[in-house]
Amino acid sequence: ETGVTQSPTHLIKTRGQQVTLRCSSQSGHNTVSWYQQALGQGPQFIFQYYREEENGRGNFPPRFSGLQFPNYSSELNVNALELDDSALYLCASSLTRFDTGELFFGEGSRLTVL
Amino acid sequence: AQSVAQPEDQVNVAEGNPLTVKCTYSVSGNPYLFWYVQYPNRGLQFLLKYITGDNLVKGSYGFEAEFNKSQTSFHLKKPSALVSDSALYFCAVRDMNSGYSTLTFGKGTMLLVSP
Repeated sequence: ETGVTQSPTHLIKTRGQQVTLRCSSQSGHNTVSWYQQALGQGPQFIFQYYREEENGRGNFPPRFSGLQFPNYSSELNVNALELDDSALYLCASSLTRFDTGELFFGEGSRLTVL
Repeated sequence: AQSVAQPEDQVNVAEGNPLTVKCTYSVSGNPYLFWYVQYPNRGLQFLLKYITGDNLVKGSYGFEAEFNKSQTSFHLKKPSALVSDSALYFCAVRDMNSGYSTLTFGKGTMLLVSP
């Protein structure tokens, strides 16, 4: 059974650029959620994808967007990067969108915006 | 909306002593509660969960948590701390929205175990 994997692990961008982060969900899981963890904070929910559609979103602007593919892997895209977007981005998968169990997290992608 | 509070930014304990990391919650309906641990520059690792049943939940690495409905608390405990337990600990609650469910996290508590 493979766990959740994310890429890249680290990246540096400049303000105004665009970034794409990737995630492969745990085997058998059809739901992927993305979280942003700023320094010294708990993870904040960005959005969730289920069967290739966004079915829930937190308090993040539209320049944060995503995709889910037929194999349930997912991408997070951030346009027009701002300094405050510097954070650890975590991908998590779960069995279903209404799962009451734990989320399974990847190691994260550390984004630095200069 | 659901929420959790971790009142301590940091907990210091000597190796071999018992440890407690505090968490209180606010939910409408049944609470689904979780503890995660995060080591430096790493993702979140699941420790334990309360869904229903016994108020004392046992988890990974010797950790346990006590669910107290009247006090709306879910404190993390370990009888004997190890230096390797030093990490950032997050309490979380399942947030059951219309159409999806997510985890809502506390701000985290840094546990420092001294030799």
